[in-house]
Amino acid sequence: EAQVTQNPRYLITVTGKKLTVTCSQNMNHEYMSWYRQDPGLGLRQIYYSMNVEVTDKGDVPEGYKVSRKEKRNFPLILESPSPNQTSLYFCASSWTGVGDTQYFGPGTRLTVL
Amino acid sequence: GNSVTQMEGPVTLSEEAFLTINCTYTATGYPSLFWYVQYPGEGLQLLLKATKADDKGSNKGFEATYRKETTSFHLEKGSVQVSDSAVYFCALSEIVQGAQKLVFGQGTRLTINP
Repeated sequence: EAQVTQNPRYLITVTGKKLTVTCSQNMNHEYMSWYRQDPGLGLRQIYYSMNVEVTDKGDVPEGYKVSRKEKRNFPLILESPSPNQTSLYFCASSWTGVGDTQYFGPGTRLTVL
Repeated sequence: GNSVTQMEGPVTLSEEAFLTINCTYTATGYPSLFWYVQYPGEGLQLLLKATKADDKGSNKGFEATYRKETTSFHLEKGSVQVSDSAVYFCALSEIVQGAQKLVFGQGTRLTINP
């Protein structure tokens, strides 16, 4: 089944404790991206990747890192999480970029205390 | 910068009612336009899209027409069902100075009562 998976689905952590949210897709998509969803703000793009080893900032990249060492995986790293990063995070992938249909993962709800 | 504005929610309708969710945008060029739907506890999924002016996207009884003159992409359905209850997001995509931009509206929560 074609899908985007994220782990964990739920995470509660404390300020400053490094964490990684994994994202994997099995559709051989070149483009992958991360979004955060906050009430009243819709989804905002954090980082995206056009292909292996090619990443770029979205609209809200501060406090986040990403890497793209393999085509299928695109982890999101919070090196020192803060309470304002409490949010619902979505990974998405598509064939070539934002003009294509985005396939979203199920989301990761992160709470930073 | 690019932006998308959707009508405020929540929207509550009775089954078989006519639905309109307004969406307007600002963009520097000629974006593609999308409607995504998010069912409870799930990620977003594409509902329909339009890539150029006057295109009409349609799917599952929903329609939206790309109106360049009014910079709008309103979502409509003639007769809603309880199963249409979800959050709907209007979005635009554009490549600006090589950067891939996908901009979402704030979402409109729709509840359909039997």
